[in-house]
Amino acid sequence: GQQLNQSPQSMFIQEGEDVSMNCTSSSIFNTWLWYKQDPGEGPVLLIALYKAGELTSNGRLTAQFGITRKDSFLNISASIPSDVGIYFCAGQLYSGAGSYQLTFGKGTKLSVIP
Amino acid sequence: DGGITQSPKYLFRKEGQNVTLSCEQNLNHDAMYWYRQDPGQGLRLIYYSQIVNDFQKGDIAEGYSVSREKKESFPLTVTSAQKNPTAFYLCASSRGATYNSPLHFGNGTRLTVT
Repeated sequence: GQQLNQSPQSMFIQEGEDVSMNCTSSSIFNTWLWYKQDPGEGPVLLIALYKAGELTSNGRLTAQFGITRKDSFLNISASIPSDVGIYFCAGQLYSGAGSYQLTFGKGTKLSVIP
Repeated sequence: DGGITQSPKYLFRKEGQNVTLSCEQNLNHDAMYWYRQDPGQGLRLIYYSQIVNDFQKGDIAEGYSVSREKKESFPLTVTSAQKNPTAFYLCASSRGATYNSPLHFGNGTRLTVT
């Protein structure tokens, strides 16, 4: 099955700094999704990307669907304390059996130092 | 507001007891999923259901059972056969596995078995 390599595994940054994380795979995907999980809560969808090369923003967040369809990155600009959490990428691929399969990365744990 | 409701938020059980986790959605989604999350690990798929009265095993189905008698409900039973049941359990739903649409998650149930 597909595997996603998400990096970095964790990061500590100062408030106000920009953040960048990415996911790569040896397989192509039809869709890239980025989720954020606050401690003790379920993941919340941040950005969905449906076309290779697509660049989408959601407030201070920007994500891109790589041209090769094998990678995606998420940038957070001017980080604030509430950005703390775990960020997951997920790739979705048409399985050819009439359904889409979703694969998650292991997450990037973000800590923001005030 | 439409969403996914998991209950209870925290659950404590003695070893050897079966326990059922509730998941209800009012998003009119066809597909529902159960994931398990352990500290430092990603999301692992336990079971999923694409339609009422049908469900499929995910990557770690051993020791778990599900039912899908209603579109809105997808309860998960953690049986005594599950060797390491203490974990954070997440329920999710989507329009359907045949759609290229993202998963939406509930807020999770933290199960502790002693």
